[in-house]
Amino acid sequence: NAGVTQTPKFRVLKTGQSMTLLCAQDMNHEYMYWYRQDPGMGLRLIHYSVGEGTTAKGEVPDGYNVSRLKKQNFLLGLESAAPSQTSVYFCASSYEVGSYNEQFFGPGTRLTVL
Amino acid sequence: KQEVTQIPAALSVPEGENLVLNCSFTDSAIYNLQWFRQDPGKGLTSLLLIQSSQREQTSGRLNASLDKSSGRSTLYIAASQPGDSATYLCAVTGTASKLTFGTGTRLQVTL
Repeated sequence: NAGVTQTPKFRVLKTGQSMTLLCAQDMNHEYMYWYRQDPGMGLRLIHYSVGEGTTAKGEVPDGYNVSRLKKQNFLLGLESAAPSQTSVYFCASSYEVGSYNEQFFGPGTRLTVL
Repeated sequence: KQEVTQIPAALSVPEGENLVLNCSFTDSAIYNLQWFRQDPGKGLTSLLLIQSSQREQTSGRLNASLDKSSGRSTLYIAASQPGDSATYLCAVTGTASKLTFGTGTRLQVTL
């Protein structure tokens, strides 16, 4: 049981390049989330999904797109990377909504955009 | 819009001391509150989850309390150890199970 995994762990991009970050979970969770973490700003929600085939915007969605074609995978895409997207990206998943909803996090992807 | 604040931003204590980390939030309409630990360059590890109907949760040397009406939570760490050194984050769960995080308290436990 690997939990939540993220690929890749590190990436360096040039401005204008595109890339996709992959998140996978093997816990059969319905809900999945993408966050970014920046110094002094905490973690902020980018996009989330409440089930296969669904996506929704979070707090900071601009410049990102997501897809949830399979229940276990949640992809985060950057179509044209900008230096402001330099950050650490975390994926999370959870089983249910409500008072006992515990989110499980992946190890993170450190992205640098030059 | 929910806002979560953690005080202090950084804390240094000698080994063996008991300590309290504080978290406050502006909207009391939450499903639960979670405390996480984050080591440098690592992901988040969930420490405790307090449901909105609960007042506290305990795990080993950790005790977290929740006062939803006043928008406050505390994380109490007993008999601190150097291995407790990390950043501690609190987060509240709102609609669609979305988390809103505080900016964390960086804890250093010295020998």
